Amino acid sequence: NAGVMQNPRHLVRRRGQEARLRCSPMKGHSHVYWYRQLPEEGLKFMVYLQKENIIDESGMPKERFSAEFPKEGPSILRIQQVVRGDSAAYFCASSHTGSTEKLFFGSGTQLSVL
Amino acid sequence: GIQVEQSPPDLILQEGANSTLRCNFSDSVNNLQWFHQNPWGQLINLFYIPSGTKQNGRLSATTVATERYSLLYISSSQTTDSGVYFCAVKGGAAGNKLTFGGGTRVLVKP
Repeated sequence: NAGVMQNPRHLVRRRGQEARLRCSPMKGHSHVYWYRQLPEEGLKFMVYLQKENIIDESGMPKERFSAEFPKEGPSILRIQQVVRGDSAAYFCASSHTGSTEKLFFGSGTQLSVL
Repeated sequence: GIQVEQSPPDLILQEGANSTLRCNFSDSVNNLQWFHQNPWGQLINLFYIPSGTKQNGRLSATTVATERYSLLYISSSQTTDSGVYFCAVKGGAAGNKLTFGGGTRVLVKP
């Protein structure tokens, strides 16, 4: 029973390029959350999705960032025209149902912007 | 939104020692979880504990929801317990998202 799978583990981009981060939730889970962690800091909520729906994107920057969780396939966090300040670890988590459930995290994607 | 404060921010332990980590939160919650982030960055779910007490091996946790705090106990600490411990809660007006505290960084020395 595979856990939450994120890829790539490490992603290097130059300023202005696009970054695509993928997350496959645990089998049977239909709720996905994305978090960002800056060095030496806690995790900051970005977005909460269910299949084909964005439920809460209150933590996502209004520009350059978007997320989706299609009916088939992984959830994607997309960052357009990356800047150095986007360098961080991006974690995905999944749960079976909504708010009263344990979250299981993937291993994260470390994004480095040169 | 809901505020989560963890203390102490840093903790250095000698192997075999016991310790208590605290998490205070500013509003009623329907979900509280403790996580351990190991030195490789992996986040492991330790407890789902919106109220009451649970034990798992050398770790135990207690949440007193009416007084808005939770405690994580580490007994007979081992070097593998090193890392950052995060408390995270859902509740209040922003019920969709799990809000994390700043963490307690633990170093267990041999």
